Amino acid sequence: KNQVEQSPQSLIILEGKNCTLQCNYTVSPFSNLRWYKQDTGRGPVSLTIMTFSENTKSNGRYTATLDADTKQSSLHITASQLSDSASYICVVSGTRGGSYIPTFGRGTSLIVHP
Amino acid sequence: DVKVTQSSRYLVKRTGEKVFLECVQDMDHENMFWYRQDPGLGLRLIYFSYDVKMKEKGDIPEGYSVSREKKERFSLILESASTNQTSMYLCASSLTGILDTGELFFGEGSRLTVL
Repeated sequence: KNQVEQSPQSLIILEGKNCTLQCNYTVSPFSNLRWYKQDTGRGPVSLTIMTFSENTKSNGRYTATLDADTKQSSLHITASQLSDSASYICVVSGTRGGSYIPTFGRGTSLIVHP
Repeated sequence: DVKVTQSSRYLVKRTGEKVFLECVQDMDHENMFWYRQDPGLGLRLIYFSYDVKMKEKGDIPEGYSVSREKKERFSLILESASTNQTSMYLCASSLTGILDTGELFFGEGSRLTVL
């Protein structure tokens, strides 16, 4: 069964500090991995996409890594800001019949305190 | 920008009522999805549709039905609402074919409370 596990479940940090969120998956066949950010009361929005051949990808202060051998990904947030407070969801997509089938992690809730 | 619009942000219904949640997307996406999101459980797929008048069950379809009469509109129906259907409901859409990267575009969500 395809599964995506995220850790930690929740995280509290001070503004300006760095943090790293983890994602382990067992999805086959693997097509890509996305990190979504979901602000409170809003829908998730895609931050990054990682394909099999990519190890690292940055989007501003967000850097995602992927180790396809160990089936692990991380999302590193640098110099955190209050606006980074959100839920971060790891989504791994396989394919079925030419379409992407996403498997969702349960998310990491990040709170950034001033 | 892709816009996915859900008709109601907040709804309060009574047990046994029929509930309609509407979702419209403006980017001609073929795929549309309905998820529910509960604390600690993440997003769970209720139903999805790859084409007009086409639907497939997701992981938790019991108690729900859907309708897709037009490409841009995907409706979720609770025939007889129950308290355990109190949740946040998220609609999403995506492309298909060579332009498909698997990215889901979500609406703002509809928070349903069933009393």
